[in-house]
Amino acid sequence: NAGVTQTPKFRILKIGQSMTLQCTQDMNHNYMYWYRQDPGMGLKLIYYSVGAGITDKGEVPNGYNVSRSTTEDFPLRLELAAPSQTSVYFCASRTGREKLFFGSGTQLSVL
Amino acid sequence: DQQVKQNSPSLSVQEGRISILNCDYTNSMFDYFLWYKKYPAEGPTFLISISSIKDKNEDGRFTVFLNKSAKHLSLHIVPSQPGDSAVYFCAADTGANSKLTFGKGITLSVRP
Repeated sequence: NAGVTQTPKFRILKIGQSMTLQCTQDMNHNYMYWYRQDPGMGLKLIYYSVGAGITDKGEVPNGYNVSRSTTEDFPLRLELAAPSQTSVYFCASRTGREKLFFGSGTQLSVL
Repeated sequence: DQQVKQNSPSLSVQEGRISILNCDYTNSMFDYFLWYKKYPAEGPTFLISISSIKDKNEDGRFTVFLNKSAKHLSLHIVPSQPGDSAVYFCAADTGANSKLTFGKGITLSVRP
C-alpha cells in the first residue's frame, strides 16, 4: 500500500525558475493538503482541497498554485521561485476528520 | 496569531522515565486534537488523537489528556524509549473545511 507519494525528494532551483511538486494518494481520500515546514516553525498550510475540482488557500499561499483534477493527484506549482520558498514540503491526505497521512516530503532549495 | 502553541522547543528524559509533552490552544472552536511524531527526513506519522468529548485517550505507552477549561493538552509517554526520540507536533481541528492547525513541535530526546 503506497499511501501518499511525493516526487521529487530533493530539488535545487535557481531564483525565478518554476517547478511542480507532485503528490498522489491511493487511499481514495477526499481531502488533500500541502504544508511547508521551516526550521522551528512547525507546519504551515499552503493550500488544501476537499475534493476533485475544489481547492482553497491556507495560511501561506503566496507564490504557489494548485489544481485537483482527480481524487488521487494534487500537484503544487511554484512560479518564479524565491529564496523564501526554500523549505521542506509535505503533501497529506485524509477522509473526513480521520488522521492525516503524510508523504515523505520534498526538500527544496532556491538559490 | 499562533492558535496552537508548543512553548517548549525541546525535552530530554532518561530512558524508562515519563515524557510529558505539552500543548496549549487559543481557539475554543477546536474540538479534535492529534499528536504526530516526526523522524528526520521522513513525513510526520500519526500517534494518537482525542475528541473534545473526552478528557483522556490511551494507546499502549501513549496517553493524551485534554483540559478544555484550560485549553491545554498533554502527551504522556511511559516508559520512554530511545526510539521515541523525534519531533512531536500537536495539531487541532475545528471541523470547518477539515483544516488542521499545527504547533511548532517539540524535540524529544530520550537518553539511554
